[in-house]
Amino acid sequence: ILNVEQSPQSLHVQEGDSTNFTCSFPSSNFYALHWYRWETAKSPEALFVMTLNGDEKKKGRISATLNTKEGYSYLYIKGSQPEDSATYLCAFRGNKLVFGAGTILRVKS
Amino acid sequence: KAGVTQTPRYLIKTRGQQVTLSCSPISGHRSVSWYQQTPGQGLQFLFEYFSETQRNKGNFPGRFSGRQFSNSRSEMNVSTLELGDSALYLCASSLEGVMAFGAGSRLTVL
Repeated sequence: ILNVEQSPQSLHVQEGDSTNFTCSFPSSNFYALHWYRWETAKSPEALFVMTLNGDEKKKGRISATLNTKEGYSYLYIKGSQPEDSATYLCAFRGNKLVFGAGTILRVKS
Repeated sequence: KAGVTQTPRYLIKTRGQQVTLSCSPISGHRSVSWYQQTPGQGLQFLFEYFSETQRNKGNFPGRFSGRQFSNSRSEMNVSTLELGDSALYLCASSLEGVMAFGAGSRLTVL
């Protein structure tokens, strides 16, 4: 059974704080690592698709890094805003896509 | 460009009934995958289709089935519904690995 673990389960931060979450995945049969943001009552929205060891991707205040050899990816949010409140999902793509349970982020203004 | 469309958005069924959910992918996307989300669980992979062929299947019983049509639209069917099948069912279409999700079909089994 493929295990994709995300930590922490939930996080409450103040507006302006920077934060990061972890996604751990198997280091074998790696094809890609996906990050999604899922706001309540909306569809999951793709943030990044990462394929190469050492990859770093950035989209505004959000960035992600990838280490396929040790099987982890970090997602960073700089200067969190209330609109960043959402569940952040990572998904490991081997021969199929396996999602982690997500990290729930709540940003208080 | 229209997004991924799922119908119906909400439905209520009783145990033992069957249900069919529909997914229309983004134009040009040939890959469609289905996921189930139950309270407290992450998204669980159901199946993936590409050009009318099932490419991958998750660990769900045979009551869960799906298909894809020549226009890339996909349906999934759940027969002999059980209470535990109550969930949000999400469909995603993809092109070159980037997935776009629909809004989901929320199924309640009474």
